[in-house]
Parts: sequence; C-alpha cells; structure tokens
Amino acid sequence: QKEVEQDPGPLSVPEGAIVSLNCTYSNSAFQYFMWYRQYSRKGPELLMYTYSSGNKEDGRFTAQVDKSSKYISLFIRDSQPSDSATYLCAMISRDNFNKFYFGSGTKLNVKP
Amino acid sequence: DTEVTQTPKHLVMGMTNKKSLKCEQHMGHRAMYWYKQKAKKPPELMFVYSYEKLSINESVPSRFSPECPNSSLLNLHLHALQPEDSALYLCASSQMGAGTDTQYFGPGTRLTVL
Repeated sequence: QKEVEQDPGPLSVPEGAIVSLNCTYSNSAFQYFMWYRQYSRKGPELLMYTYSSGNKEDGRFTAQVDKSSKYISLFIRDSQPSDSATYLCAMISRDNFNKFYFGSGTKLNVKP
Repeated sequence: DTEVTQTPKHLVMGMTNKKSLKCEQHMGHRAMYWYKQKAKKPPELMFVYSYEKLSINESVPSRFSPECPNSSLLNLHLHALQPEDSALYLCASSQMGAGTDTQYFGPGTRLTVL
C-alpha cells in the first residue's frame, strides 16, 4: 500500500466550477501537508501549506486537513482554464523533515 | 524571493558524455534536494544535502554524482547515463527548521539521453 494515495484523474470541469482534489494517507506521523501545482514540463509550484486539522484559505484555494480520517483536500472555487495542471499533494513526517511523500498527482482540465 | 534556478533548461547527451546540472538558491535555505521525475509520475527523491553535507542518498546509481560547493549551489554530475535516465531533474530547497520545511522547486532540467 502506498503511503499517500491520490486519484490520478484526469478530472475535467467547466470554467467556474468548484473543484475538489483529495489525498488519503496511512502514516499517522505525517504532520505537514502541502499542495503543489505543476504545469506541463515545469517544476512543481507550492500552492498551500498546512499543519493542523481544519481549513486554510488563500484566495480561490482552500486546503482542508482531517487528521482523524487521514484525509486532505484542496478546493478551487471559480475554476479558471489557467488552473489546468497536475496537482500534487505532499506530506512530511515528524520523524524526517527532509523527506517528502508525494501523491501521484491529479490532472485537472478546466474547460472554457 | 522564493526562486530556485536551474541550468540548463534542456540537455541532450550521449551515453558516453559527461555533463553537469546546476541549481542555485538565495533564500538562505540550508537543505537542497535533487529529484527525478518521469512523465505522469510524482517526483522521486535522489539526494538531500543538509548544511552542505550529503544526508540522504536514495540508492541512486553512481553515474549520478551530486556536489554541494556552498550553501547556495547544488550540482549533479552525470556520466555514462542510460536512455532510461531521460527525465525532468528537479532541484528544491528548504529552510531546515521544525514546521518550516516546505520545499521550493526549480523549473527543472529536461534531460534526454540518446
């Protein structure tokens, strides 16, 4: 079983839709949770970073962490064609801050 | 400034060539990373340098040789690569503090081995 599971998609939505991207994990030592956006042939770009359970909002993006269920989500409101990219979740264990555990990435396509 | 720069952007090399990838950051980060990313896959960790010392080597073949000349620079020396080594090579850096170890990625070097 992978430590981080993420639906690879692709996920196709119309412009303006609310998008929900999700990851589940099995390691209870994971404490820090990140979402990265990666455009084709580019490096990952950090979108959101959260530590505790609950919600964190930044513009159209909301990151949600539920440690009891080992489940994290990224919501994108009013989605735009420019949001079309692959979204990667990543996690850090309290046992090793150097090592990221990545999900496999979800490819999102927002249609005009 | 949260920028990590990488050169070159693209590299094509033969199996007998020797080349180097370069990475630079000026954020004062003390941890730097090399990742390899194949198409439609997440990045895979190769090496971690902490305070300019190699702290993690994820069983990477010796044809990949990392070097950290100073706290801002990270190199990856390539020699006798195989076609299956063709991938996007990503550099990242992080601050190295509890709760602050978000990694910032460079744009990557697209490597093709012929």
